[in-house]
Amino acid sequence: GENVEQHPSTLSVQEGDSAVIKCTYSDSASNYFPWYKQELGKGPQLIIDIRSNVGEKKDQRIAVTLNKTAKHFSLHITETQPEDSAVYFCAASIRGNEKLTFGTGTRLTIIP
Amino acid sequence: EPEVTQTPSHQVTQMGQEVILRCVPISNHLYFYWYRQILGQKVEFLVSFYNNEISEKSEIFDDQFSVERPDGSNFTLKIRSTKLEDSAMYFCASSVREEGSGELFFGEGSRLTVL
Repeated sequence: GENVEQHPSTLSVQEGDSAVIKCTYSDSASNYFPWYKQELGKGPQLIIDIRSNVGEKKDQRIAVTLNKTAKHFSLHITETQPEDSAVYFCAASIRGNEKLTFGTGTRLTIIP
Repeated sequence: EPEVTQTPSHQVTQMGQEVILRCVPISNHLYFYWYRQILGQKVEFLVSFYNNEISEKSEIFDDQFSVERPDGSNFTLKIRSTKLEDSAMYFCASSVREEGSGELFFGEGSRLTVL
């Protein structure tokens, strides 16, 4: 089955700087790659997603890039703010929301 | 803003006991899911449910687990005879559709502690 690796496990960034989280996946049939943000005591919340027919997608300060050949995708957060502090999970699936395989998570801390 | 609600937020049970975790998905959603997260580990898929039947399940979802949509609003996960390793946070999720722009919405989770 699909295996998703995520790095780093923890990341501390000065407020205003950029943060990058990277994931690799194993199943070349995967075609849907969402990113979730999980705040303390809450469930994961979708922040951005990308499909395999697109190489990059941007939404304000958040962007995701996908390299299908190398089977990796990355989350980029620019101009980080304290409210960006959370655990971020990448995920992959062959068919939309069906059977998402999650990465191990990255705890992002924004230092004021 | 519509949300997925889960009860209980925390349940403590003895090994071997039956547990039912309840979820109320967002009202116009058609696809329902259970995921779990063992403390400090990744979120894992358990089961998906559509049109009153299981559409996909993982290896974790063995005969001890079952899901049901007993009425038009609730979606339940039952663990028949709990084991220590069932201790985890269980997340219910729902979406309007499986693909396309069908964002997956998660509830806040039910923490299960098996003693």
